[in-house]
Amino acid sequence: SQQGEEDPQALSIQEGENATMNCSYKTSINNLQWYRQNSGRGLVHLILIRSNEREKHSGRLRVTLDTSKKSSSLLITASRAADTASYFCATDGSSSYIPTFGRGTSLIVHP
Amino acid sequence: SAVISQKPSRDICQRGTSLTIQCQVDSQVTMMFWYRQQPGQSLTLIATANQGSEATYESGFVIDKFPISRPNLTFSTLTVSNMSPEDSSIYLCSVEDLANEKLFFGSGTQLSVL
Repeated sequence: SQQGEEDPQALSIQEGENATMNCSYKTSINNLQWYRQNSGRGLVHLILIRSNEREKHSGRLRVTLDTSKKSSSLLITASRAADTASYFCATDGSSSYIPTFGRGTSLIVHP
Repeated sequence: SAVISQKPSRDICQRGTSLTIQCQVDSQVTMMFWYRQQPGQSLTLIATANQGSEATYESGFVIDKFPISRPNLTFSTLTVSNMSPEDSSIYLCSVEDLANEKLFFGSGTQLSVL
């Protein structure tokens, strides 16, 4: 069954604005990952945050994790048209290390 | 990191036919994963393919419908058999990077069944 659920399903912003996507999950995790998918192609790994971490940065990406609320957020700062893509969170589970993916957030950044 | 070459990138097939998707990795990997992504949906794991043994299928997926080969540590194929329009999806192969606990993906095969 699906573990992560992203919110919103779709997000449309102007270039230069920040984009925030949220992910909620149901069971305890060891880590949570965010992936990006361009136009139905292969996914690209963005960032991994472990269950004992609260915040992580990578370039214009900021990920937070709140294990008490079983939620994570991905913030893309100063967005660019090239950030247009679908973003997925993926969680491992207590019984499997293979990530389970959420439905994704479709982000459109208008130039 | 691993580079995965997946083909075909897309195909349009007739009902009742079969399509074989290939994935070639530029390094030896123990496990390869096959995912299906239905339109507007998440990725669903079809099966895990280990070299030298039968693939392990997830609930809802069977070998007769999705036979998988894994002849060596760098190559795998997934066949979508006796296709119907409900099989129209993106199919993705993936390998794991154990050191960094992440997955690398092929570029996907967009399948449309008429």
